[in-house]
Amino acid sequence: EDKVVQSPLSLVVHEGDTVTLNCSYEVTNFRSLLWYKQEKKAPTFLFMLTSSGIEKKSGRLSSILDKKELFSILNITATQTGDSAIYLCAVPPNAGKSTFGDGTTLTVKP
Amino acid sequence: GAVVSQHPSWVICKSGTSVKIECRSLDFQATTMFWYRQFPKQSLMLMATSNEGSKATYEQGVEKDKFLINHASLTLSTLTVTSAHPEDSSFYICSALGLVAYEQYFGPGTRLTVT
Repeated sequence: EDKVVQSPLSLVVHEGDTVTLNCSYEVTNFRSLLWYKQEKKAPTFLFMLTSSGIEKKSGRLSSILDKKELFSILNITATQTGDSAIYLCAVPPNAGKSTFGDGTTLTVKP
Repeated sequence: GAVVSQHPSWVICKSGTSVKIECRSLDFQATTMFWYRQFPKQSLMLMATSNEGSKATYEQGVEKDKFLINHASLTLSTLTVTSAHPEDSSFYICSALGLVAYEQYFGPGTRLTVT
């Protein structure tokens, strides 16, 4: 059975801190790994990773995939209160039917 | 970018009644849509895969007679919660399979409260 495990489940930091969120996976047919940010409504897409070792970057957020060790990390530097959200990792083994991790709830305090 | 809408965004209904939630892809055609359920502080749980013109595929443990899914057109899928009970209260999110391989576009979600 496909599995996606995120850690930590919950994290509280202060503004300006750097955080690293982890996602490990076991899937039978890996194609890509997706990161989403969920605030009060539905998830919004952050990154799609398909190749090992290539960092994807968007502002203060970056992510990288290790296909040998079967994990990905999402880094957020200089955190702001607006970064408070649930961060979801998903692996779609086939077209669109993603297996989601339990998410990491990030709280950034002022 | 691809936009998915849901209607209503929030609904309160009485126990025993049925509620229909609509999911629309606004600027693209979606042959495949997904329905998720999310409890507070938990991740998304896939309920079913909705394919245009055919029967939905339900995940294990999801009652297909209770959660009726209809994908009658390339831009619309509906989820009807029949004979709703308080335990059906949840956040329901739909998504449409994207134009980029394996990317999903999520609707804004519908919060259902059954009293």
